[in-house]
Amino acid sequence: SYDLTQPPSVSVSPGQTAIITCSGDRLGDKYVCWFQQKPGQSPELVIYEDRKRPSGIPERFSGSNSGNTAILTISETQAMDEADYYCQAWDSNTGVFGGGTKLTVL
Amino acid sequence: EVQLVQSGAEVKKPGESLTISCKGSGYSFTNYWIIWVRQMPGKGLEWMGKVDPTNSYGTYSPSFEGHVTISADKSITTAYLQLSSLKASDTAVYYCARSTVITLGNVDAHHFDRWGQGTLVTVSS
Repeated sequence: SYDLTQPPSVSVSPGQTAIITCSGDRLGDKYVCWFQQKPGQSPELVIYEDRKRPSGIPERFSGSNSGNTAILTISETQAMDEADYYCQAWDSNTGVFGGGTKLTVL
Repeated sequence: EVQLVQSGAEVKKPGESLTISCKGSGYSFTNYWIIWVRQMPGKGLEWMGKVDPTNSYGTYSPSFEGHVTISADKSITTAYLQLSSLKASDTAVYYCARSTVITLGNVDAHHFDRWGQGTLVTVSS
């Protein structure tokens, strides 16, 4: 089975840039999505097709994907960005999620 | 407005079966797949499978195949997740989501752009 690996936690100060990585074998050959999930809420799509933002997602959310690593970058991080973030890709017609990263805004 | 509305919380005993529903509205139901995701207490998201509402054909994660059945009834724009022989370890929140169906240069680019509110399933004797 295909595995996506994320760091369990990332901490960032308000106003700074948060970087969350997602690693998988030849991940750059696939398209990656990112989801934000706040406590008690359903996940929300924040990045799709590696770098596109759905309507309503702030420009400070951006994504990239190359080689074996996809990256979610949150610029000028705000307290409201504190959440769990999950990467997701497709392999052999099956969806796969990363284990999730808890972003703490200190 | 696009909405996915799931059925309510369930409490079941081990060995019982369960069906959760997910009703789509505000969009063309057959133009998108429905996927199901499990989230065990305090844990991450797990992709369980998907269904094509045009023909109710399901595709499953190897981790869930044989234990779940995913189907859809396009006449009432509703998808279903059936869980059989429930165990305590099936206690979780189950989400449905709408998946676009996009392939770019032979690479799957489907993404889950709308989610249901989640259904809490508790399995306890």
